Formats: sequence, structure tokens, C-alpha cells
Amino acid sequence: GQSLEQPSEVTAVEGAIVQINCTYQTSGFYGLSWYQQHDGGAPTFLSYNALDGLEETGRFSSFLSRSDSYGYLLLQELQMKDSASYFCAVILRNTGGFKTIFGAGTRLFVKA
Amino acid sequence: ETGVTQTPRHLVMGMTNKKSLKCEQHLGHNAMYWYKQSAKKPLELMFVYSLEERVENNSVPSRFSPECPNSSHLFLHLHTLQPEDSALYLCASSLIAESTDTQYFGPGTRLTVL
Repeated sequence: GQSLEQPSEVTAVEGAIVQINCTYQTSGFYGLSWYQQHDGGAPTFLSYNALDGLEETGRFSSFLSRSDSYGYLLLQELQMKDSASYFCAVILRNTGGFKTIFGAGTRLFVKA
Repeated sequence: ETGVTQTPRHLVMGMTNKKSLKCEQHLGHNAMYWYKQSAKKPLELMFVYSLEERVENNSVPSRFSPECPNSSHLFLHLHTLQPEDSALYLCASSLIAESTDTQYFGPGTRLTVL
């Protein structure tokens, strides 16, 4: 079967750096995405990695290691508004096309 | 503000009621999705539509009935639901179904079944 693991909760201090890990066991892996969801809000796309390495977008970076079936989201200079849930999602490719499977999400609490 | 809207935002219904959830996307996408989000569980894909044609149905009970009259509108008709169906129901759209395209989500309908 397909599975994704990410921590259920992470707490960090404003201004700090936090890393949210995602490990996966899948067949047909194609890429890894990250989404952010604030309480009561819609999940919004943050990043996508199809190749190994680090992708940087402002304060957020995402990393992928296909050989280790592992990725992470790195948030720098944390702000209170970063308190939200973060979901990793794997994109799988099979004969029928592509399919996206989401993790259970990591709830990030940013403290002053 | 996303280009995907959902109504109502909150819904409380009894097990014998019939109600419908509505989703509308203003992004010119060809694919629309229904997801169920329960606390501390992964998003569960329920249905996928591509150009008004259903392309995926993930073993969803028949008490959930989707309808896609055109590529901009998606409905989820609900009848004789169970308390365990209480969850956040999210609609999403993408340019092409079952692709690597980014999915854009609506804010969801918080459903409570009494």
C-alpha cells in the first residue's frame, strides 16, 4: 500500500527555523508537494519537488531525496501567522495517469 | 482569496435530511475534486471529474452523490448520512485531472450530522 508519515505536531518560537519531515512508502513516485492550511481556511499550495535537492521560495524551502523516500519543508524566520497545518502530498504515476495522496498533516504552533 | 468557492460554509443536518454542497471555480480549470477531511487523518479523495465526466470514484458510499453540470460547478448531494460522515468537505480544481497540476482548494463546508 501507499503511506506517508509526518509528525502530528511541531512547536517552535517566533523567529526560529523549523523543519517538517515527510517520509513515504509508495510505488510509482513522481513528485512531492507541500500545502499549508490555516484553521477554517483552504489548503494552499506551497511547493513542488520532482527532482532531488532544495527548492527555495522566500522564507520557505522544500527538500527531496528520492533515494531515501524523504522530504522536508523548512520554514525560516518563523512568524506567528505561520501557525497552521502543513500537508505533504506525493504524486504517483501509473498507467492511468497521475494521482495525489496527502499525508495527515503537521500542526505547527508558533509561540512568541 | 482563492478562485474556488464553496457554499454553505457550515451545515448541520439530521440523518434523514437531504442537502447539497456546492462548489464553483473561477479559474478556467477542467478538473474538479471532492475531498473529505477528518481530524488528524489524511485528506480522502472522494470523486474526480474531468470536463464534467466522472473519472474516479474511490469506493464512496452511495449516500454521497456527486453532480458536475459543467466544468465550473460541482455539487455533492447528501442523503441519509451517518454521524461518522461529519467532517470538512473540500472542493478543489486543477487545470487537468489526474496530472501534476497544482490543485486549488476551496475553504470547505463543515458538515455536522446529528
